[in-house]
Amino acid sequence: EVQLVESGGGLVQPGGSLRLSCAASGFTFSTYWMHWVRQAPGKGLVWVSRINYDASYTTSADSVKGRFTISRDNAKNMVYLQMNSLRAEDTAVYYCARGGSSWSADGYAYWGQGTLVTVSS
Amino acid sequence: EIVLTQSPGTLSLSPGNRATLSCRASQSVSSSYLAWYQQKPGQAPTLLIRGASSRATGIPDRFSGSGSGTDFTLTISRLEPEDFAVYYCQQYESSPLTFGQGTKLEIK
Repeated sequence: EVQLVESGGGLVQPGGSLRLSCAASGFTFSTYWMHWVRQAPGKGLVWVSRINYDASYTTSADSVKGRFTISRDNAKNMVYLQMNSLRAEDTAVYYCARGGSSWSADGYAYWGQGTLVTVSS
Repeated sequence: EIVLTQSPGTLSLSPGNRATLSCRASQSVSSSYLAWYQQKPGQAPTLLIRGASSRATGIPDRFSGSGSGTDFTLTISRLEPEDFAVYYCQQYESSPLTFGQGTKLEIK
């Protein structure tokens, strides 16, 4: 059974940092792209960042470029989102999602349960 | 950036009705890279349709996707009580990946 479990959310002050983690199991982690998607309270889904299967390629939304960094550890089946210089508008539930494989793009068939990040003083 | 515009914003229908949800892209999207999701309150989204028209595993056949280029449609043939939720389209062809703003399907 495929499982994605996020952790690391919480309350942080503006300008602060937080590192989100996503533990993956039930599939060959090293062959899939991984993504982070966020959802502000009462709002829609927004793609944040993605990383390819061997971590040789990453890309992020303009709103987080230079502040957020996605990474992965294929030996541990983990994907991370390092969030620096946090702003109030970064307040959201952050979801980890499995993307396509190394040979084909795909939608997100698997999502984590989400972890809430609140940026407030 | 490919902007996806969903319409209507809210759709009020009764169980048993047919629902038609639209997703229009600001530039052409390859059909292979268009997905639809359903999200219920407090839950992560669920993939319904991938590649514009292929149902994801376990999705009932009352859900169907169609379209190409810049115009895509999600159709729910006969609404069940559990289908009332928010629906999002997504393109995963080019970065930044983008979602539509969502269509809320509510009970009339």
